Amino acid sequence: SQTIHQWPATLVQPVGSPLSLECTVEGTSNPNLYWYRQAAGRGLQLLFYSIGIDQISSEVPQNLSASRPQDRQFILSSKKLLLSDSGFYLCAWSRETNTEAFFGQGTRLTVV
Amino acid sequence: SQQGEEDPQALSIQEGENATMNCSYKTSINNLQWYRQNSGRGLVHLILIRSNEREKHSGRLRVTLDTSKKSSSLLITASRAADTASYFCATDGLGYQKVTFGTGTKLQVIP
Repeated sequence: SQTIHQWPATLVQPVGSPLSLECTVEGTSNPNLYWYRQAAGRGLQLLFYSIGIDQISSEVPQNLSASRPQDRQFILSSKKLLLSDSGFYLCAWSRETNTEAFFGQGTRLTVV
Repeated sequence: SQQGEEDPQALSIQEGENATMNCSYKTSINNLQWYRQNSGRGLVHLILIRSNEREKHSGRLRVTLDTSKKSSSLLITASRAADTASYFCATDGLGYQKVTFGTGTKLQVIP
């Protein structure tokens, strides 16, 4: 069966520090991968999606970047965090475009 | 911008009652999905309805889709306290390689 791992679950980082959130998928190959951000009490904002290794599409201009160094690994990064980067970050995968997505448990990031 | 918008933003009902949530979207779609999110957790897929389908059932869930009105509804029958969660609709766009989510309906079922 397929599983998705996202870590850490919570993270408190000072302004200006770097960020690296990792997401890995097991039990499938060539998944579509997604990073979403959810502000408190709000919907999900798509940040990045990837249909293959080194194929990353960015949805919104921001202080973040994403990389996919391996087929089932998706990394969300920042060189210098801003207060506005605080939020709940969710990684997800799907077998094909526009099909059911499977979500990780999320990372609660607080930038202080 | 958000593709889907759920209505109402919040809903509070008694256990045993039915809960209806609506979703409106802006552009033509291939399919529409409904997800559930318990507080502080990831989303769980509930049901997918394709653009050529009008109604779909899964257990206590009933989803309808009206592509002429660009809207969908999610009905939860005989609600339980455990149904308390936020519910999101998600849509693709024709030719897009991504799914975008609405702002969600926060459902509270009072025991």
